[in-house]
Amino acid sequence: EMVMTQSPATLSLSPGERATLSCRASQSVSSNLAWYQQKPGQAPRLLIYGASIRATGIPARFSGSGSGTEFTLTISILQSEDFAVYYCQQYNNWPRWTFGQGTKVEIK
Amino acid sequence: EVQLVESGGGSVNPGGSLRLSCAASGFTFTNAWMSWVRQAPGKGLEWVGRIKSKSDGGTTDYAAPVNGRFTFSRDDSKNTLYLQMNSLKTEDTAVYYCATGGPEQTSSWYSWYFEHWGQGILVTVSS
Repeated sequence: EMVMTQSPATLSLSPGERATLSCRASQSVSSNLAWYQQKPGQAPRLLIYGASIRATGIPARFSGSGSGTEFTLTISILQSEDFAVYYCQQYNNWPRWTFGQGTKVEIK
Repeated sequence: EVQLVESGGGSVNPGGSLRLSCAASGFTFTNAWMSWVRQAPGKGLEWVGRIKSKSDGGTTDYAAPVNGRFTFSRDDSKNTLYLQMNSLKTEDTAVYYCATGGPEQTSSWYSWYFEHWGQGILVTVSS
């Protein structure tokens, strides 16, 4: 069974700082990894797919990297609207996709 | 503009049944593989499963916790996706989202990752 593990569970940062979120897969997912942002009461929003490709309309301060089992989402300069929960999702282990448990980015 | 609108949620006793609908617009529904994702209160996202387009066989895949109890179907004439939930358990309590997305190939969406989401609908299983 594929397991996606995100760290840390919570990241406390100030606006203007850099955020680095990690996602680890229990087995290789190649570059078949997506990142989502979710704010309270809202549906998730796709940020990144293919491990590093920004989705339509996503600001350049969001970047993704990694392949295989280790992935990183970086927010270069945190804006007030970026405080949210972030999820990774693998779509390599056919037929079942898996999400990580999430990382909450909160205001310090 | 792509729109996905879920309906049919509510409260049900354990062991009961419920059917959710997801009305789609703004894209070629016939060509889209559609998925369901759920989120228990205060918890993370959980992939529930998918239904392929009829041109790709219309087959379904389910996550282990719902396999044998949940059934996906689609009515392409109505641009609507359905989730029939039977033998409901308290742990099925969640907001249910319908979702779809890329990759896009020859005007088909394969729902590998989810660019488009509904607003979500709450299902509560409790006695």
